[in-house]
Amino acid sequence: EPEVTQTPSHQVTQMGQEVILRCVPISNHLYFYWYRQILGQKVEFLVSFYNNEISEKSEIFDDQFSVERPDGSNFTLKIRSTKLEDSAMYFCASSEGTGIKQPQHFGDGTRLSIL
Amino acid sequence: AQSVTQPDIHITVSEGASLELRCNYSYGATPYLFWYVQSPGQGLQLLLKYFSGDTLVQGIKGFEAEFKRSQSSFNLRKPSVHWSDAAEYFCAVFMEYGNKLVFGAGTILRVKS
Repeated sequence: EPEVTQTPSHQVTQMGQEVILRCVPISNHLYFYWYRQILGQKVEFLVSFYNNEISEKSEIFDDQFSVERPDGSNFTLKIRSTKLEDSAMYFCASSEGTGIKQPQHFGDGTRLSIL
Repeated sequence: AQSVTQPDIHITVSEGASLELRCNYSYGATPYLFWYVQSPGQGLQLLLKYFSGDTLVQGIKGFEAEFKRSQSSFNLRKPSVHWSDAAEYFCAVFMEYGNKLVFGAGTILRVKS
């Protein structure tokens, strides 16, 4: 079964540094998402992306965050200047379409640790 | 505001015993509900989903869930738990506006032999 893959599985970065988290969505999917889960807290929506632009973003997704689909297969999340509170598990997801009948498929996540 | 509540942070059951994980939602329109499971070190795997129609939905790994509108609940059940079911379980509601999932806080299931 096709799956969403995320790299790296664990990223350790110094505070203030830029970090890029990478995702390869399922190949025929058109909608892409990032969620995050701070340790001990809920999984929270960050952003959705379609047709090379952001469809929706949460209030968490401030100017320090950006997303990009640099080529036909990768979908990236960049954090420009990391803060301690950015430490979390970041999940990428993709779906074939929008709406309830197009469920989102999640990757295994990237654990980001900010020192 | 739309929200999902999972009242139990941890649940421990014996292998072979039945399981029920609780989920309550708050959503103005018809809710579209999901259960996901996260095994240690892994991502979120879809167990089952409710769109409409039959209020008892079957999922993978022998799980089922029942939608009860009157109670705003979507509880997950399994008649006989296996040690491999130990994981964290998340209930979620789909928000059509924004095409996004709103998750509950999760319930960690421990299975004792």
